[in-house]
Amino acid sequence: AQSVTQPDARVTVSEGASLQLRCKYSYSGTPYLFWYVQYPRQGLQLLLKYYSGDPVVQGVNGFEAEFSKSNSSFHLRKASVHWSDSAVYFCVLGGLRSNNRIFFGDGTQLVVKP
Amino acid sequence: DPKIIQKPKYLVAVTGSEKILICEQYLGHNAMYWYRQSAKKPLEFMFSYSYQKLMDNQTASSRFQPQSSKKNHLDLQITALKPDDSATYFCASSPGTGRTNERLFFGHGTKLSVL
Repeated sequence: AQSVTQPDARVTVSEGASLQLRCKYSYSGTPYLFWYVQYPRQGLQLLLKYYSGDPVVQGVNGFEAEFSKSNSSFHLRKASVHWSDSAVYFCVLGGLRSNNRIFFGDGTQLVVKP
Repeated sequence: DPKIIQKPKYLVAVTGSEKILICEQYLGHNAMYWYRQSAKKPLEFMFSYSYQKLMDNQTASSRFQPQSSKKNHLDLQITALKPDDSATYFCASSPGTGRTNERLFFGHGTKLSVL
């Protein structure tokens, strides 16, 4: 069965610190993986996506994510967070064997302290 | 300048009433979707449409009916409203036919409160 797990409901970091938000997926085929961000009172916006190739993908605003097939993971990273990065981050899984459905993780709320 | 317009932004309804949530996209996309976000479930897929045809329905209740009068419109009619329907409803679209490798573009949502 296909699924996405974001094990951390909430992560708090200080401004300027590095960040990793975890995402684990379960999928038997080749996954399509996305990270979306939701700022307060807004819809979701795409940060980055992975289809194939280089396992490290770059996104907007200095975010990157690394795909690991062996670990079934797609963790999001940023070297130095800013207070404006405070938001909810969703990891999303799709794939050709998923009956054309995509699967959202439960989201991780990121709080950046000044 | 938002390319996916959801109306209204906020909606208060009485239990048992009926409401229609409006969604129009001006991105030229072929696929449109409805998602629901509440305290109980962070983001829940409801419906997907491609070229105005229903592709997928994961909403158990028939009280929720999508309506597509034009390719760039996908409204959501909700009948016999219940307090549990209180949530923010997001409309989204994607450029292709709704395949799972497509980027989704989201509207800002309609926050529905049922009293």
